[in-house]
Amino acid sequence: AQKVTQAQTEISVVEKEDVTLDCVYETRDTTYYLFWYKQPPSGELVFLIRRNSFDEQNEISGRYSWNFQKSTSSFNFTITASQVVDSAVYFCALGGGATNKLIFGTGTLLAVQP
Amino acid sequence: ETGVTQTPRHLVMGMTNKKSLKCEQHLGHNAMYWYKQSAKKPLELMFVYNFKEQTENNSVPSRFSPECPNSSHLFLHLHTLQPEDSALYLCASSQRGQESEKLFFGSGTQLSVL
Repeated sequence: AQKVTQAQTEISVVEKEDVTLDCVYETRDTTYYLFWYKQPPSGELVFLIRRNSFDEQNEISGRYSWNFQKSTSSFNFTITASQVVDSAVYFCALGGGATNKLIFGTGTLLAVQP
Repeated sequence: ETGVTQTPRHLVMGMTNKKSLKCEQHLGHNAMYWYKQSAKKPLELMFVYNFKEQTENNSVPSRFSPECPNSSHLFLHLHTLQPEDSALYLCASSQRGQESEKLFFGSGTQLSVL
């Protein structure tokens, strides 16, 4: 069975702090994809990153970075020097296999205080 | 603007009402989805349409009836709903056939069933 676990329900930080959002996944597929989406108060989920299971290189995009470790089935997301605009719910998701289904975690609500 | 438009943004209905949610994508995608987002729960995949054909019905009660007249439009017809059906209903689209399941989401319809 496929499953995504985001153990952190809510995180509150002060602006300029670094924050890491955890994501642990379960799958029996050898080829799969991992995603992070951001859901601001407006409601739509905004795509942040997609990572192929064969590519374990960490990725950095501006203040965002992702740490993919197959050995621990984790795909953690770090925001450096957080800003108030980063406040949102962040979802980790798992996709792949024969169907175009994405399995989402329960999300982590990040509140960045000024 | 993600290219996926959902109407209405908010809907309040009684348990005996019949209403429809509408989704339109302007991205030229060939797959469309309905997700349900309830508080404290992972996003739940409800239906998947590939090339206008329903390919996934995730054990959704028959009081939810999807319709996909073409690859750009998706409807969710609602009738005799229950209060526990109150949730944010998200529509998404993707280009099936590409190597990943990158979804583009609408802003959702916040549904309240009284």
